[in-house]
Amino acid sequence: DAKTTQPTSMDCAEGRAANLPCNHSTISGNEYVYWYRQIHSQGPQYIIHGLKNNETNEMASLIITEDRKSSTLILPHATLRDTAVYYCIVSDTGRRALTFGSGTRLQVQP
Amino acid sequence: GAVVSQHPSWVICKSGTSVKIECRSLDFQATTMFWYRQFPKQSLMLMATSNEGSKATYEQGVEKDKFLINHASLTLSTLTVTSAHPEDSSFYICSATTTEGYTGELFFGEGSRLTVL
Repeated sequence: DAKTTQPTSMDCAEGRAANLPCNHSTISGNEYVYWYRQIHSQGPQYIIHGLKNNETNEMASLIITEDRKSSTLILPHATLRDTAVYYCIVSDTGRRALTFGSGTRLQVQP
Repeated sequence: GAVVSQHPSWVICKSGTSVKIECRSLDFQATTMFWYRQFPKQSLMLMATSNEGSKATYEQGVEKDKFLINHASLTLSTLTVTSAHPEDSSFYICSATTTEGYTGELFFGEGSRLTVL
């Protein structure tokens, strides 16, 4: 699986949009970009995934650059409950097992 | 999304004893389950992959005789930590997927925190 690079930590004000970047410059054509988050002492929670088109669901939006070498996860209105470690993972669906990097620790401030 | 449940949520045991952790898919048939381990302030590390009805595949460095994995049904996988030692204390997390209606995401359990005294 291609490797990803994420900032170690970020802060965001409550109610504002949180934009979490991820670089995946070695991504291959059949690999998807997945985002998960892990709230302290819980299992990871699926957020969103995409191949090349931008995606949106009830939790977040995923913006993938045209060359697919980077992406941004957007939480449109961050709340305190969004404080977590966010993992950007690149994988082809055939492999199924996901390799977790160190992620971005997002702290939403009141 | 689909629900994966782990039990127990936390367990404390004495060194040398064995501990079993269960992972259940509650509303779907899990053809494949994965077991991860997470030490404090670290990321999740894949331990093994189990397919229903077959032997688990272990990642390099994971002792298969110490971490026994059974995936006897499409809704249940168990991880048994045998002869546990304090260095086995960790957060163990299972995840599951299915080939039916597969949309790419893995579903994770809540995790089980093991403390070995």
